[in-house]
Amino acid sequence: GQQVMQIPQYQHVQEGEDFTTYCNSSTTLSNIQWYKQRPGGHPVFLIQLVKSGEVKKQKRLTFQFGEAKKNSSLHITATQTTDVGTYFCALVNNAGNMLTFGGGTRLMVKP
Amino acid sequence: EADIYQTPRYLVIGTGKKITLECSQTMGHDKMYWYQQDPGMELHLIHYSYGVNSTEKGDLSSESTVSRIRTEHFPLTLESARPSHTSQYLCASSERQQGPQHFGDGTRLSIL
Repeated sequence: GQQVMQIPQYQHVQEGEDFTTYCNSSTTLSNIQWYKQRPGGHPVFLIQLVKSGEVKKQKRLTFQFGEAKKNSSLHITATQTTDVGTYFCALVNNAGNMLTFGGGTRLMVKP
Repeated sequence: EADIYQTPRYLVIGTGKKITLECSQTMGHDKMYWYQQDPGMELHLIHYSYGVNSTEKGDLSSESTVSRIRTEHFPLTLESARPSHTSQYLCASSERQQGPQHFGDGTRLSIL
């Protein structure tokens, strides 16, 4: 089956520091999605990447899709306490009929 | 923003009871999904539906069942709850098969 690895599993940062989470797939992807889940909340869709080498920005968040479409990253510049939560990548499975979620990276920000 | 509602928000119930978790969405989405998520862990797809009278099992085996009689409604049923069913159950919907999914607030289920 399709393998999804997301690293790191946890990350503690001081407020103002940068943060990056990586998502790696064993197969070439058609697209990748990123979600954020606040503690006690539900996943909220952030972005979808489709093109090889694509880079998209949302304020302090930068999303990249690898050239080979097998990996992706989410980078947060100058973290704030509001960034706390778990960030999940989600891949479309080989059959194209469902999403497979990565294990998530839990971000904790110290004020 | 999709409007998707789950009830109850929390449920604590004894072993052996029949449980139905409700999920409704008002966006007219054909695609709906049920995920199971333990605290701090990843989401596992247990059921999905691509439209009325269409239901499929996800990649995580589950003893629950689902039905899709109306587009907006996708309930999940456990015929006889067990402590191993204790988890959070999240419902989601999407407009397109590979499109963004919109999640409800979830039901936190605890079986004693």
